[in-house]
Order: sequence, then structure tokens, then C-alpha cells
Amino acid sequence: GQNIDQPTEMTATEGAIVQINCTYQTSGFNGLFWYQQHAGEAPTFLSYNVLDGLEEKGRFSSFLSRSKGYSYLLLKELQMKDSASYLCAVSYTGRRALTFGSGTRLQVQP
Amino acid sequence: EPEVTQTPSHQVTQMGQEVILRCVPISNHLYFYWYRQILGQKVEFLVSFYNNEISEKSEIFDDQFSVERPDGSNFTLKIRSTKLEDSAMYFCASSAGLVVTGELFFGEGSRLTVL
Repeated sequence: GQNIDQPTEMTATEGAIVQINCTYQTSGFNGLFWYQQHAGEAPTFLSYNVLDGLEEKGRFSSFLSRSKGYSYLLLKELQMKDSASYLCAVSYTGRRALTFGSGTRLQVQP
Repeated sequence: EPEVTQTPSHQVTQMGQEVILRCVPISNHLYFYWYRQILGQKVEFLVSFYNNEISEKSEIFDDQFSVERPDGSNFTLKIRSTKLEDSAMYFCASSAGLVVTGELFFGEGSRLTVL
């Protein structure tokens, strides 16, 4: 199978920075996506990495290391509304669909 | 902003009944998908559809499931004889191009409860 691993839960404080890690199987890797999913809602797109390095988009940044099969999502200046699940998803060669990890449930506390 | 729309938002059905979930993808998108998410579990791929045919399906998508694009706008998922374990949120998604380069847009989901 194409396992994608990420921590199940994380807790952080409002205004702080949090890093959510994701590891994946590198064979056939095409690209990596991060999605945000609030409880009971649809996943919404956050970022896409295909090359090594950091992609910054406002308070959110995503990093990729293809050789290590590793990515992280960095959230800065945390707000209460950032409490959600963060899904790591990978595109593999020969597959039209994304493979999702189990998601990391982030709770932001005051 | 264009969006993927799904109906119904919630459906309750008896085991063994047929269910049809409907989706209207974004109008200029070419690739359509169904995913499901059992409560508390990960988003799982069911099927992808392109050029009026299934392009890929997972092992979950067995003979009980079918998809159809009956007209130029709707994309449906049919479950012929529902089982208790089919209870889940079903998400429709679409993309303009191959997902390897394009963003996947999800609908708000249809929650299916099988009793």
C-alpha cells in the first residue's frame, strides 16, 4: 500500500507556531497536497508541493523533501479558527486520485 | 467562486435500499471523483471518472456501486443495496486537469446513514 503517516492529534496555543509532519512512501511520488477540514465539512485546499523546499502562503507554509519522503505544514500566528483536521495527501504516478493520510486534528487553545 | 454542489446533504435509509447521491461538478472541469469518509476515519478514494467512463476505482468500489453522468452537468453515485458499513460522508470532487498538477475541489458532502 501507499502509507501516509501523520500525527493523530496536536494541541497549540493561540498566537503560536505549529508544525504538522507527514511522511509518505517515495516510490512513484508526483506531488503532495495539504488540505484543511473543519468538523463536518469538506476538505479545502491549502498547498501543493512538487519540488523540494518551502512554499509560503500567508500564515501557512509547506515544506517538501522528496528524497526523505517528508513534508510538513507550518502554521504561524495561530488563530482559534485554525482548529481543524489537516490532511496530507499524495499524488502517485499512474493514479488519477489522491491518497490521503488519516489527518492531524489540531486544537488551538486560548 | 465556482463550487461543487451535492445533494442531498443528509440521507437516512434502510439496509438493502438503493441510494443515489448527486453532484454537480464545476462546469469547466473534466475529472470527477467520489471519495468517502467514515466518521472519525480518513478520506478514502472510491472512483474517478473522465471522458464518460471510469478511469480508476478502488477496492471499495465493488459491484454495489456505480457512477453515471446522465447529462452535461450531473454526476451520480448509486449504491444498489446499502449495508450498515456504507454509512459515511460521501464527497464529490472535480478537477480541471489531472490531479497531479491540479487542485481538487470538494463538495460539501452527503451524509449517508444506513439503519
